Amino acid sequence: GQNIDQPTEMTATEGAIVQINCTYQTSGFNGLFWYQQHAGEAPTFLSYNVLDGLEEKGRFSSFLSRSKGYSYLLLKELQMKDSASYLCAVSGSQGNLIFGKGTKLSVKP
Amino acid sequence: SQTIHQWPATLVQPVGSPLSLECTVEGTSNPNLYWYRQAAGRGLQLLFYSVGIGQISSEVPQNLSASRPQDRQFILSSKKLLLSDSGFYLCAWSVLVGAGELFFGEGSRLTVL
Repeated sequence: GQNIDQPTEMTATEGAIVQINCTYQTSGFNGLFWYQQHAGEAPTFLSYNVLDGLEEKGRFSSFLSRSKGYSYLLLKELQMKDSASYLCAVSGSQGNLIFGKGTKLSVKP
Repeated sequence: SQTIHQWPATLVQPVGSPLSLECTVEGTSNPNLYWYRQAAGRGLQLLFYSVGIGQISSEVPQNLSASRPQDRQFILSSKKLLLSDSGFYLCAWSVLVGAGELFFGEGSRLTVL
């Protein structure tokens, strides 16, 4: 079967660093995506990993280990506007994205 | 630049009534098109995708259907809505199936009463 797991909720403090983990089991692998979704809005693309290692993009970084079926999204210097749900998604052998249920991040002052 | 629009943004429908959600993409040709549903407490569920006019693939058996009458138009329909059809419906497009970024429309929130 295909399964993507990520924590349901997380809380962090403004200015801090937070790591959101994602583990996956899929038939085939063509890449892993992270999306940000503010309440009531559509998801927006954050990052894409297809090879092992860390991809850095400003305050956000994403890491992938294909052998472990594991990824994380790292958010640095947290801001209040980072309060949102973060969706992990994997492209499997069928070519379509399979999404996790998302991690709701609350940033507190 | 490419844009994607879907409508209506919000609708409240009685059980048993029909549904039509429309999505259009501008600024690109032959996009891959998708309909997702996001129900409360659940992840984004792929309902349908299309790689070309008249080509529709269904991911899950359900009360819904999709059509692609034109290259950049994707329609989600139902003849008779069920309570379980309530949710946030998202249209999306991509250049490559599965291997590229998905660009989402604004979403349509459907409440079936």
